[in-house]
Amino acid sequence: AQKVTQAQTEISVVEKEDVTLDCVYETRDTTYYLFWYKQPPSGELVFLIRRNSFDEQNEISGRYSWNFQKSTSSFNFTITASQVVDSAVYFCALSEARDSGGSNYKLTFGKGTLLTVNP
Amino acid sequence: NAGVTQTPKFQVLKTGQSMTLQCAQDMNHNSMYWYRQDPGMGLRLIYYSASEGTTDKGEVPNGYNVSRLNKREFSLRLESAAPSQTSVYFCASSGWGTQYFGPGTRLLVL
Repeated sequence: AQKVTQAQTEISVVEKEDVTLDCVYETRDTTYYLFWYKQPPSGELVFLIRRNSFDEQNEISGRYSWNFQKSTSSFNFTITASQVVDSAVYFCALSEARDSGGSNYKLTFGKGTLLTVNP
Repeated sequence: NAGVTQTPKFQVLKTGQSMTLQCAQDMNHNSMYWYRQDPGMGLRLIYYSASEGTTDKGEVPNGYNVSRLNKREFSLRLESAAPSQTSVYFCASSGWGTQYFGPGTRLLVL
């Protein structure tokens, strides 16, 4: 069975601080996908990034960066110079990579980390 | 291009009443999903449809039914609502591995 653990339930930082959100996963699949989603106070779920299990290259997108380490089954997310608008619940998720037309991928979510950025 | 849309946005039901949550996507995705989100629980999969004409149970299917009406639409039905079904319901669709979510339906069962 797949499992995603986000050990940090809540994090509070002051604006401009860097913050890292941890994600540890468990799966028996050799091919899988990892995701991060953002849920701001308005409630919608916003896709941030997808990472394939065979691609361990870290990624940077503006103030966001992701560190994928297969050896420790972790996919951590860092926000550099945090801003108040970054305040949200962040979810890490894992999906199998079954080939059924390339479109059947069931997600297992972590319970989320509430990030509060104070001015 | 609206993405994934859901109706209604908010609904209040009495115990025992029935209702259908509607979901539509305009991204030509094959797969669609229904999740529920409860405080401290993350999102849990209720049902999914890998392709038009097929549906399968997810993690928490009891008390729900679904219909994949066509490639665009996937509805979730509560036949006899219970207070335990008070939740926020999200519909999602996926093309090649990434799921995109609708805005959610907040359901309160009294």
